[in-house]
Amino acid sequence: EAQVTQNPRYLITVTGKKLTVTCSQNMNHEYMSWYRQDPGLGLRQIYYSMNVEVTDKGDVPEGYKVSRKEKRNFPLILESPSPNQTSLYFCASSLYGGQAFYKGSEQYFGPGTRLTVT
Amino acid sequence: AQSVAQPEDQVNVAEGNPLTVKCTYSVSGNPYLFWYVQYPNRGLQFLLKYITGDNLVKGSYGFEAEFNKSQTSFHLKKPSALVSDSALYFCAVKGAAGNKLTFGGGTRVLVKP
Repeated sequence: EAQVTQNPRYLITVTGKKLTVTCSQNMNHEYMSWYRQDPGLGLRQIYYSMNVEVTDKGDVPEGYKVSRKEKRNFPLILESPSPNQTSLYFCASSLYGGQAFYKGSEQYFGPGTRLTVT
Repeated sequence: AQSVAQPEDQVNVAEGNPLTVKCTYSVSGNPYLFWYVQYPNRGLQFLLKYITGDNLVKGSYGFEAEFNKSQTSFHLKKPSALVSDSALYFCAVKGAAGNKLTFGGGTRVLVKP
């Protein structure tokens, strides 16, 4: 089954304790992205990756890191989480990797990770 | 900077009546426009998109949307709403020259029996 998986689904942590949220897709997609969803703000893009070893900042990258060492995986790293990073996080992937033809490819979303930082 | 506005936080409609969810956008160049739906405790699911061509696009579950370039709008419609259409709907835009996807704030749809 084609899917995007995220782990963990729920996480409660304390301020300053480094954490990683994993994301994996089995569709051989080139483009992957992380979003956070907050009430009234919709989804805001944190980071995205056009392909292996190619990443770029989205609209709200502060406090986050990402890496793309393999095509299928795109982990989100919070080096020193703070309470304002409490949110619902989604990973997504799509075919688009730079070619104009695929630029309109829709994104496939993971089930989400609900993070609480106390 | 590109942006998306969904002016209604919630839309209430009776089952069987037409459903419209509004979306306006701002982007440089030609837009790529998308609608996604989120059911409770689930990730987002793709509904439909406008890339080029016919201004009226049809998508999943009987939904359609009309691209209006002069009004920079991409409203989502369904002729006859179902209770199961109750969910959170997001409009999103990507510029032809960029790689970022920008979402609106979302519109909650409540379809009453």
